[in-house]
Amino acid sequence: QKEVEQDPGPLSVPEGAIVSLNCTYSNSAFQYFMWYRQYSRKGPELLMYTYSSGNKEDGRFTAQVDKSSKYISLFIRDSQPSDSATYLCAITTDSWGKLQFGAGTQVVVTP
Amino acid sequence: DTEVTQTPKHLVMGMTNKKSLKCEQHMGHRAMYWYKQKAKKPPELMFVYSYEKLSINESVPSRFSPECPNSSLLNLHLHALQPEDSALYLCASSPGRESLLPNQYFGPGTRLTVT
Repeated sequence: QKEVEQDPGPLSVPEGAIVSLNCTYSNSAFQYFMWYRQYSRKGPELLMYTYSSGNKEDGRFTAQVDKSSKYISLFIRDSQPSDSATYLCAITTDSWGKLQFGAGTQVVVTP
Repeated sequence: DTEVTQTPKHLVMGMTNKKSLKCEQHMGHRAMYWYKQKAKKPPELMFVYSYEKLSINESVPSRFSPECPNSSLLNLHLHALQPEDSALYLCASSPGRESLLPNQYFGPGTRLTVT
């Protein structure tokens, strides 16, 4: 079993819809949770990060962590074609060192 | 500024060549990383430098040789690579061990093709 599970998609949504992405993890020692966005042939871009259970909002993006269920989510409201990318969750136990990445979910927002 | 720069953007090399990838950050970060990413896969960690010392080597073949000349620079020396080493090589940095922030910031990557 992988330490972090993420559905690779693709996930296709119409413009303006809410995009819902999630990851599950197995190690309860994980305490730092991040979401990256990666456009084709580019490096990953840090979108959101959180270190505790609950919600964190930044513009159209909301990150959610449920440590009791070992489940993290990213919601994108009012999705735009420019949101079409691969979204990777990344989790780690400490403030430096190895990130455990999910497989990445490819999102396609159609006009 | 959360910029990590990498050069070159693209590199084509033969199996007998020696080349180097370069990475630079000016955020004062004390941890720097090399990742390898194949198409439609997540990044795979290769090396971690913490305070300019090699802290993690993920059993990477010796044909990849990292170097951290100072806290802002990270190199990856390549020698006798194989075609299966063709990939996007990503550099990242993070504040480091003494910070509570694990956020890693990635560069744009070097797309390497081994012929």
